Amino acid sequence: GESVGLHLPTLSVQEGDNSIINCAYSNSASDYFIWYKQESGKGPQFIIDIRSNMDKRQGQRVTVLLNKTVKHLSLQIAATQPGDSAVYFCAENRSGGGNKLTFGTGTQLKVEL
Amino acid sequence: KAGVTQTPRYLIKTRGQQVTLSCSPISGHRSVSWYQQTPGQGLQFLFEYFSETQRNKGNFPGRFSGRQFSNSRSEMNVSTLELGDSALYLCASSSSRVTTEAFFGQGTRLTVV
Repeated sequence: GESVGLHLPTLSVQEGDNSIINCAYSNSASDYFIWYKQESGKGPQFIIDIRSNMDKRQGQRVTVLLNKTVKHLSLQIAATQPGDSAVYFCAENRSGGGNKLTFGTGTQLKVEL
Repeated sequence: KAGVTQTPRYLIKTRGQQVTLSCSPISGHRSVSWYQQTPGQGLQFLFEYFSETQRNKGNFPGRFSGRQFSNSRSEMNVSTLELGDSALYLCASSSSRVTTEAFFGQGTRLTVV
């Protein structure tokens, strides 16, 4: 069945270091992926997306990598800042699925000063 | 451009009552999706509406229903509330019918007592 799982529930990094958050998915039909950031008391905030015809996509301080062979997705945050502390979710969808997203369980990122 | 607006932000209801939540999508967006977020189950898809038609539905009981108006605003209704319905209900809007990025509102925190 469909599932999107995260490898680590909590990730602690030092300020200024790079962070890598991982996500595994099981549905080989998935062809669209989004990373969201959710701060306490707020709704998920769109960070970056990637379609399955790409392996890598970069944004401002963030990079998403997609490995379709092993059904793995990662979010890299460069020079992590205290404001990056939040829960990060990956979500997947597939063409023809409308805008129905399946979310992973989330990773808590803690930035230590 | 205004973001996704959800009202009310907080609600306290008694078991057995019903509740209606409202979502106004980003101007020009015609797809509205609803999600339930709980600590135990994470983010789960409820349903999606596009042009006043329900396009996708998640695995929730019939007590959960929704609708979309001609101006793309959407409401969801939960009847015969149960304690387990306590959750953060999130609305996401997307610009088109095809799979694309979804932007979330702040959510409505529902507490059932």
